[in-house]
Amino acid sequence: DAGVTQSPTHLIKTRGQQVTLRCSPKSGHDTVSWYQQALGQGPQFIFQYYEEEERQRGNFPDRFSGHQFPNYSSELNVNALLLGDSALYLCASSLGPGAYEQYFGPGTRLTVT
Amino acid sequence: KNQVEQSPQSLIILEGKNCTLQCNYTVSPFSNLRWYKQDTGRGPVSLTIMTFSENTKSNGRYTATLDADTKQSSLHITASQLSDSASYICVVSGGNQFYFGTGTSLTVIP
Repeated sequence: DAGVTQSPTHLIKTRGQQVTLRCSPKSGHDTVSWYQQALGQGPQFIFQYYEEEERQRGNFPDRFSGHQFPNYSSELNVNALLLGDSALYLCASSLGPGAYEQYFGPGTRLTVT
Repeated sequence: KNQVEQSPQSLIILEGKNCTLQCNYTVSPFSNLRWYKQDTGRGPVSLTIMTFSENTKSNGRYTATLDADTKQSSLHITASQLSDSASYICVVSGGNQFYFGTGTSLTVIP
């Protein structure tokens, strides 16, 4: 039973570029949430996808967008990258948006230079 | 305002010693409280999860307690090991939202 997987593991981009991060949820899970975690900080909620729609959104600008596919996998897109977007991006999956528990992936480390 | 606060911010202990981490929350409505362990640069891994009616939950050397009346939780680590060095994050779920604490950074030294 595969857990939550994310790709790529590491990524280096230049300011102004665009990036796409990918997440495959744990088998049987239908809800994916994305978090940004700056160094030394706790994760900050970006948004949650359920039934291929964005259900909830945290305090992040429109440069951050996402998508969920029919197989429940998800993408996080960030446009016009800023230096401050450098962080560990975590994906978490759950069974339903109000789930008892969510499982985290290993994260994607994004560095913007 | 829904918040989760953890203390201490960081902690250094000797291998073999015990320690206790604290989590206070103001989240309402309350669904459950989880403790995660996060190694540097890795995703958080669940240690325990407790609902309103549960006072204590153990997972090996980790024991979490919950006082829903005072909205406090603690994570007790027994006989610490070098591999326990990590950040420990308290997450409170309520109203279909997850509220994260900023974590306690634990360093276990030989």
